[in-house]
Amino acid sequence: DQQVKQNSPSLSVQEGRISILNCDYTNSMFDYFLWYKKYPAEGPTFLISISSIKDKNEDGRFTVFLNKSAKHLSLHIVPSQPGDSAVYFCAASGRGSTLGRLYFGRGTQLTVWP
Amino acid sequence: DGGITQSPKYLFRKEGQNVTLSCEQNLNHDAMYWYRQDPGQGLRLIYYSQIVNDFQKGDIAEGYSVSREKKESFPLTVTSAQKNPTAFYLCASRDLSGRWDNEQFFGPGTRLTVL
Repeated sequence: DQQVKQNSPSLSVQEGRISILNCDYTNSMFDYFLWYKKYPAEGPTFLISISSIKDKNEDGRFTVFLNKSAKHLSLHIVPSQPGDSAVYFCAASGRGSTLGRLYFGRGTQLTVWP
Repeated sequence: DGGITQSPKYLFRKEGQNVTLSCEQNLNHDAMYWYRQDPGQGLRLIYYSQIVNDFQKGDIAEGYSVSREKKESFPLTVTSAQKNPTAFYLCASRDLSGRWDNEQFFGPGTRLTVL
């Protein structure tokens, strides 16, 4: 059963515009969320994270928003650049029995066109 | 430089053969993980280990085996029992000391193709 869901397999955005990638989770024990970026035939690289004690975390062009009541988070990229074209994975972890492992969504392929 | 290495980058195997994928890290991380990536499936956890000589099954452990004899090494064996072994395999590690929210660091991956 998928505990982290990314319901949009792909997103296409024009360069300079905002990209919004969405992620939903079902496990209320999750309290730490991460976004990874992945290029083909390479390992994912960490992008940005957020703890459940916050509702927003910003790092340059990247901002992650967390809505705990809706069990939803989103990644905003502003402005989008062609180099941002990659697969983005949402991941979650939590204390207790899930400590140490991450649960990943299936990813969203972002394409930024000129 | 500190990091995670996986070898080889590409691996070909004949059906019915076992094959071992290497993963080494010099980050002094406690935990190590193996994932498999298939198109449209995201990253699925095969096995993980939080300390030496101990490991747990992930979501898709059938047909795989691992060992953790050293902190820096976590090899994955794909056995002939794995029905669909062709995939991109990713190894990761994580520091479990101190902060509980440390991210996982990934290696470059190994593409396994069964002929």
